[in-house]
Amino acid sequence: DSGVTQTPKHLITATGQRVTLRCSPRSGDLSVYWYQQSLDQGLQFLIQYYNGEERAKGNILERFSAQQFPDLHSELNLSSLELGDSALYFCASSVSDRDGYGYTFGSGTRLTVV
Amino acid sequence: KNQVEQSPQSLIILEGKNCTLQCNYTVSPFSNLRWYKQDTGRGPVSLTIMTFSENTKSNGRYTATLDADTKQSSLHITASQLSDSASYICVVSPRTDSWGKLQFGAGTQVVVTP
Repeated sequence: DSGVTQTPKHLITATGQRVTLRCSPRSGDLSVYWYQQSLDQGLQFLIQYYNGEERAKGNILERFSAQQFPDLHSELNLSSLELGDSALYFCASSVSDRDGYGYTFGSGTRLTVV
Repeated sequence: KNQVEQSPQSLIILEGKNCTLQCNYTVSPFSNLRWYKQDTGRGPVSLTIMTFSENTKSNGRYTATLDADTKQSSLHITASQLSDSASYICVVSPRTDSWGKLQFGAGTQVVVTP
């Protein structure tokens, strides 16, 4: 157990729908990062939050949004889902606002859009 | 162009044999270079982290080397086991003020056969 908790582990939904993925960082970590990994592809950085504020954006679609709450958990919202959004979504956390040594990944949420 | 290139893309080795994975990067300057192991459908797990001033770092049967002059790193797996079957990802952290800017390689898929 890495200490980073992601729920749900699996999610199957239809095209056009909206889903919310949740991430609880390791205790004491203030930064949360979201990544997308499509089949046989590398990890693509989506967005980072630090202590409730957005810090960096990567290749995140406009249909996707995220936020970090006062208790530091984060949610990634995916809307108007398309078949191509099917992927593994990983969350990572770290203590600082920079990707430091204590960078830990969760076990991911597998999203299947049908 | 990806700033972190890994080779080979995949390899098959016999249980008990050694193998070496390569990582070439163009990220400069960089803060640290990491190797992660990712089992299928699971989150990446850190194997080694090296700063630009370190040449080698070991974690059990895994040994990473770094040549900052040639911008190359390798991961050597000794006496491979079936459980070593996974994707191995090279990740470089740039030394900038930007956040969430880890540069990921596409990974090397290793299959260990009996």
